[in-house]
Amino acid sequence: NAGVMQNPRHLVRRRGQEARLRCSPMKGHSHVYWYRQLPEEGLKFMVYLQKENIIDESGMPKERFSAEFPKEGPSILRIQQVVRGDSAAYFCASSPLDLNTEAFFGQGTRLTVV
Amino acid sequence: GENVEQHPSTLSVQEGDSAVIKCTYSDSASNYFPWYKQELGKRPQLIIDIRSNVGEKKDQRIAVTLNKTAKHFSLHITETQPEDSAVYFCAASRPHNNDMRFGAGTRLTVKP
Repeated sequence: NAGVMQNPRHLVRRRGQEARLRCSPMKGHSHVYWYRQLPEEGLKFMVYLQKENIIDESGMPKERFSAEFPKEGPSILRIQQVVRGDSAAYFCASSPLDLNTEAFFGQGTRLTVV
Repeated sequence: GENVEQHPSTLSVQEGDSAVIKCTYSDSASNYFPWYKQELGKRPQLIIDIRSNVGEKKDQRIAVTLNKTAKHFSLHITETQPEDSAVYFCAASRPHNNDMRFGAGTRLTVKP
């Protein structure tokens, strides 16, 4: 089991461009969470998804940000028209379908907006 | 939704001393409380967790206590070592939807 895979590890975008962050959960995991971490700060919840469903997106800005977790393929966090304030590390975590259990984190994607 | 508060935000101790980090949660339905350690530039990794049917759990130098009535849970690290220096996050999770929310983190520095 390769663990939670995120790519790319580092992403540089110019202001106004789109950023696409990918997360492949651990095999057998159907719950995916996205968190944003600013330098020297904690993990801020953004969105929680199950296969083909957004369960809770209360932490995600209403504009420019969207997330999906299709039946096939990785979960995608999309940021349109990026601004400098979007620069952060974005972590994805996954957990199994069952009872509350450990969430396993990916290595994160460090987005830099120039 | 669940709201998790964590204190202190920074903690500095001398090697060999104990460190205690405290968290509170708002949703009485939460029943799973993991603690994660994040070293600089790395991913958060689980170090210990506790479920609501127990009040305390210990793993070598690390222990976690849970007070469901007060909605408090704490991480205790004894005999701290420089390699314990990291950011520690508490989290609370509710059943059914497996929703998980994190505290803001505590930066622990262990001085040799």
